[in-house]
Amino acid sequence: DAGVIQSPRHEVTEMGQEVTLRCKPISGHDYLFWYRQTMMRGLELLIYFNNNVPIDDSGMPEDRFSAKMPNASFSTLKIQPSEPRDSAVYFCATSPGQFGYTFGSGTRLTVV
Amino acid sequence: GQQVMQIPQYQHVQEGEDFTTYCNSSTTLSNIQWYKQRPGGHPVFLIQLVKSGEVKKQKRLTFQFGEAKKNSSLHITATQTTDVGTYFCAGIDYKLSFGAGTTVTVRA
Repeated sequence: DAGVIQSPRHEVTEMGQEVTLRCKPISGHDYLFWYRQTMMRGLELLIYFNNNVPIDDSGMPEDRFSAKMPNASFSTLKIQPSEPRDSAVYFCATSPGQFGYTFGSGTRLTVV
Repeated sequence: GQQVMQIPQYQHVQEGEDFTTYCNSSTTLSNIQWYKQRPGGHPVFLIQLVKSGEVKKQKRLTFQFGEAKKNSSLHITATQTTDVGTYFCAGIDYKLSFGAGTTVTVRA
């Protein structure tokens, strides 16, 4: 199993541009989570899906952020327009239930 | 909502010494999980505790869940340089909430 696959690993973009982060979950894992990690705020849950359905998006910072899971094999997190304060490492994690999450390697986003 | 607090925030340890990091929740947890994140890496699941008073060991690591299921601890014996990283506890009420982590550095 290749684990949770995230792309890109690094993204540098200019303020105002659209950014799309991608995640391929582990097959059979029904839960998918998007986390953001910064030094100041630690690991923050942005949104999670169960069986492709968004369950809780209360952590999404504002309307500039959106997430989709069109099928069990793919999820995206989109930021439009991006701002410098969005700079962070974004992790996708998946789980077969409320047990041991498997994290992807993350996308390090820098907005200049 | 649930808050999970970890102490200490930083732990500087001499190689070979023991240390303990603590995790406290404002609410009763259904279970608690521990993760380790190496510098520049991603969180990696270590263990889950479910039962009140549960104790589990992984080699030099001992994990404990409090009787009231509101606190947990991780004790590492004979610290090695491979133990460097940030240790997170995470508690579930309806979703997994991470503590701020304990960042461990080791003096050789």
